[in-house]
Amino acid sequence: EPEVTQTPSHQVTQMGQEVILRCVPISNHLYFYWYRQILGQKVEFLVSFYNNEISEKSEIFDDQFSVERPDGSNFTLKIRSTKLEDSAMYFCASSEPVSGGPKDTQYFGPGTRLTVL
Amino acid sequence: AQSVTQLGSHVSVSEGALVLLRCNYSSSVPPYLFWYVQYPNQGLQLLLKYTSAATLVKGINGFEAEFKKSETSFHLTKPSAHMSDAAEYFCAVSAFTGNQFYFGTGTSLTVIP
Repeated sequence: EPEVTQTPSHQVTQMGQEVILRCVPISNHLYFYWYRQILGQKVEFLVSFYNNEISEKSEIFDDQFSVERPDGSNFTLKIRSTKLEDSAMYFCASSEPVSGGPKDTQYFGPGTRLTVL
Repeated sequence: AQSVTQLGSHVSVSEGALVLLRCNYSSSVPPYLFWYVQYPNQGLQLLLKYTSAATLVKGINGFEAEFKKSETSFHLTKPSAHMSDAAEYFCAVSAFTGNQFYFGTGTSLTVIP
């Protein structure tokens, strides 16, 4: 069964460093997402991406964050200058727009645990 | 705005007992609701979803959930717990406009042999 994959599974970085989290969405999906979960808190939406541009973003997704689909398979989340509070589990998801809206199931990857020291 | 609340961050049941994981939603419009399960070191896997068809939704692994508008609830149940059901369970509601999901804080299910 097709699945979303994410690399690395765990990333440790120093505060102020740039990190890139990578995701390979399911191949025929057209919508891509990033969510994060700070330990003990809710899974929070960061951004959605469609047709090579951001379609929605949350307040969390400030100028420190960017997303890119550099080729036909990868979807990346870049954090330019990491802060301690960026430590979280980051989930990538993708969806096939069967109905083109909120009914569409999002398929999630296993997550990347980011630790900022 | 949509939101969900999951009551009970940890639930323990004996093997063979009923599983009941609670989810209440807040939405000003008819919601689309989802339950996901996360096994250790794996991604969020869809268990079932409600999209305004039948109010009783059957999912994978013997789970089901009932949409109750009067109670604004979408509780997840399974008649008989199995050891393999031990995992983290997340309830989510999708935004009426746009595609983002709003998740609950999750419920960790422990199954006691």
